[in-house]
Amino acid sequence: EVQLVESGGGLVEPGRSLRLSCTASGFTFGDDAMGWVRQAPGKGLEWVGFIRSKASGGTTEYAASVKGRFTISRDDSKSIAYLQMNSLKTEDSALYYCTRGNGGNTRSVRNWGQGTLITVSS
Amino acid sequence: DIQMTQSPSTLSASVGDRVTITCRASQSISSWLAWYQHKPGRAPKLLIYKASSLESGVPSRFSGSGSGTEFTLTISSLQPDDFATYYCQQYNNYSTFGQGTKLEMK
Repeated sequence: EVQLVESGGGLVEPGRSLRLSCTASGFTFGDDAMGWVRQAPGKGLEWVGFIRSKASGGTTEYAASVKGRFTISRDDSKSIAYLQMNSLKTEDSALYYCTRGNGGNTRSVRNWGQGTLITVSS
Repeated sequence: DIQMTQSPSTLSASVGDRVTITCRASQSISSWLAWYQHKPGRAPKLLIYKASSLESGVPSRFSGSGSGTEFTLTISSLQPDDFATYYCQQYNNYSTFGQGTKLEMK
């Protein structure tokens, strides 16, 4: 059974940093792209970004709203994906889902975690 | 940026109905479109990828069609478990989700 478990969420002040982790199991982690999608309270889904598998180049892409502030990385030896969030803004408050791509080089999502909540507030 | 527009935003239907949700892209995305089902407090679920490919384990009453800029998700005979919010996602150029369609019981 595929499992994606997010951790690292919580309350953070504007301008601060936070790192989310996504621990994966039940599939060959290194074969697939990994990413993050968020949902602000009462809003729809927003794509944050993703990282391709090493075989597909291991490169990253980001939504314009987070580019330059957020960084996605992966540790295939530990089956963990990360989302480093810097210069956080109140509008970054959301439930953050870790996602497994439907392949090594695709932004479509085969599996989702349960999400971890980030609240950016002073 | 590619914008995705879903219609309707809310859809009221009854068990057994055939329902269709439309998703329009602001520019051509070929067939790089996915559909997801999302229930409150649950993780979203992939239904359709590449516009018309049914994800493994998804009931055959779900189907997707379209290419270019116009796409549809059809549920052939609505079941009680299908009441949820549905999102389309383009993944041709970066990625964008539609705003969602809430399917509610009439």
